[in-house]
Amino acid sequence: KQEVTQIPAALSVPEGENLVLNCSFTDSAIYNLQWFRQDPGKGLTSLLLIQSSQREQTSGRLNASLDKSSGRSTLYIAASQPGDSATYLCAVSADRGSTLGRLYFGRGTQLTVWP
Amino acid sequence: SQTIHQWPATLVQPVGSPLSLECTVEGTSNPNLYWYRQAAGRGLQLLFYSVGIGQISSEVPQNLSASRPQDRQFILSSKKLLLSDSGFYLCAWSDRVGNEQFFGPGTRLTVL
Repeated sequence: KQEVTQIPAALSVPEGENLVLNCSFTDSAIYNLQWFRQDPGKGLTSLLLIQSSQREQTSGRLNASLDKSSGRSTLYIAASQPGDSATYLCAVSADRGSTLGRLYFGRGTQLTVWP
Repeated sequence: SQTIHQWPATLVQPVGSPLSLECTVEGTSNPNLYWYRQAAGRGLQLLFYSVGIGQISSEVPQNLSASRPQDRQFILSSKKLLLSDSGFYLCAWSDRVGNEQFFGPGTRLTVL
């Protein structure tokens, strides 16, 4: 069974720092990997999607990398801002027949950026 | 563009009462639909997924059920709620090839 782990569980940094959030998964047979953001009491907002054949994706100040063979992904946030404060979730999708697209989630990294 | 709706946004129900949560998607056809639960201190857990009308797969045995009466409508139900059913319920959709998933705003359920 696929297991997804995110480190650290929580992170508190001053504004302006560059951050790295880590995600690891046990089964390298994935279809894709998604990074989400969740604000308190809200749904999930998709940040980046990396297909299994890709190495990285970028959106604004966010950059996500994928090393499928080693079962790792990192989310890099440049020049962090207080508005980046949220929980960041990593999820990998199954690459098996009838369960194609099923997401397995990590427990998230709770990020606080203070002014 | 595609949008996903969930209602109600919040719900407080007594133990033993029935439940019906609704999810609808606009702007796409034949989506894969998913129900997830996020309980306090735990990660997101997939409950049900559907690849078409009337086609429901269950991931976890429980007292919940799901139905898909229309292409873009997904309903989560229970005949008798338990305390352990409390949590944040999220609906999501993806295109047919199981690509990127998009989530709704969620329903906060409290069972007393």
